[in-house]
Amino acid sequence: AQSVTQLDSHVSVSEGTPVLLRCNYSSSYSPSLFWYVQHPNKGLQLLLKYTSAATLVKGINGFEAEFKKSETSFHLTKPSAHMSDAAEYFCVVSMNSGYSTLTFGKGTMLLVSP
Amino acid sequence: GAVVSQHPSRVICKSGTSVKIECRSLDFQATTMFWYRQFPKQSLMLMATSNEGSKATYEQGVEKDKFLINHASLTLSTLTVTSAHPEDSSFYICSATDRGNEQFFGPGTRLTVL
Repeated sequence: AQSVTQLDSHVSVSEGTPVLLRCNYSSSYSPSLFWYVQHPNKGLQLLLKYTSAATLVKGINGFEAEFKKSETSFHLTKPSAHMSDAAEYFCVVSMNSGYSTLTFGKGTMLLVSP
Repeated sequence: GAVVSQHPSRVICKSGTSVKIECRSLDFQATTMFWYRQFPKQSLMLMATSNEGSKATYEQGVEKDKFLINHASLTLSTLTVTSAHPEDSSFYICSATDRGNEQFFGPGTRLTVL
């Protein structure tokens, strides 16, 4: 069985300050982990993915995430928030290297103030 | 990137009626399509997986006779909510993939049953 816990339902930051969105996972297998972003009235877009290669994963728009097996975490970070980063972010786990079975976290709404 | 569309984006219907939601892959052939359901402040929950030309595989607890899925072509899958009731009101999201690669998500359909 696999599960994902996103620790914060909302995160508020000021533009230009760092972003940290937290995610912990549980998986019986070596997991693949993803972060997706969903802007209002848009589809989900893949930000980055971890599939057992480098533990520090760089994604689009300056986001990155670090896979920490000992902490079962896959937190998403960005050094400097931009207004356009305001959106809902989903941490997702898959029990295999493909995309066939995705388990979603409940999502974290990122709010960015000027 | 690949684009997936859904139609309609939102629908309001009376209790007891049926509603059809379309999911189209616009610029690639989708061998597999997925249907998710998202309640407010909840995760996306996988409802079913459909492969072109074969019967959909439903997740545990999802009524296959209530949520009819048809994947008649490599670019179109439909979800029909039969005899809809207020508890079926939700956000329905589809995704499409070609041969196990990245899932590309549609923008979702908001269903409200009165």
